[in-house]
Amino acid sequence: AQKVTQAQTEISVVEKEDVTLDCVYETRDTTYYLFWYKQPPSGELVFLIRRNSFDEQNEISGRYSWNFQKSTSSFNFTITASQVVDSAVYFCALSEARNSGGSNYKLTFGKGTLLTVNP
Amino acid sequence: KAGVTQTPRYLIKTRGQQVTLSCSPISGHRSVSWYQQTPGQGLQFLFEYFSETQRNKGNFPGRFSGRQFSNSRSEMNVSTLELGDSALYLCASSSRTGHEQYFGPGTRLTVT
Repeated sequence: AQKVTQAQTEISVVEKEDVTLDCVYETRDTTYYLFWYKQPPSGELVFLIRRNSFDEQNEISGRYSWNFQKSTSSFNFTITASQVVDSAVYFCALSEARNSGGSNYKLTFGKGTLLTVNP
Repeated sequence: KAGVTQTPRYLIKTRGQQVTLSCSPISGHRSVSWYQQTPGQGLQFLFEYFSETQRNKGNFPGRFSGRQFSNSRSEMNVSTLELGDSALYLCASSSRTGHEQYFGPGTRLTVT
């Protein structure tokens, strides 16, 4: 069975601080995908990033960066110089890679981390 | 391109009633998934449809059902509503070749 653990329930930082959100996953699949989503107070889940299990290259997108380490089954997310607009719940998710002819893949989500950035 | 749309945005129903929620995927996306979000259980997968066929189903009772139409629009139905069905129901769509799921704003269902 797949499982995603986000140990940090809530994090509070002051604007311009760097913050790292932790994600640890469990899966028996050798091929899988990892995701991060952001859920602002409006409720809509916003896609941030997808990583394949066979690509451990870290990624940077503006103030966001992701560190994927298969050896520790972790996929951590860092926000540099946080801003008030970053306040949201952040979800890490995992999907298996069933080959179903173009079908979608079921996402298993962590419980989420509520990030509050104070001015 | 318009995003995923869900209707209605808010619903209040009484125990025992049934409800139908609608989801229109992003144009060109043929896969639609549904998720239930509650404070206690978090985000849980309900089911997934592709080309009008249910491909995958989560661990929910048979009161939860869905379908997909030829234009990829999807509906989910919950019969004999229980208080515990109060939740945010999220729909997501993805393209055939991509794996990212793009979510709609959700339908907030309250069962009284």
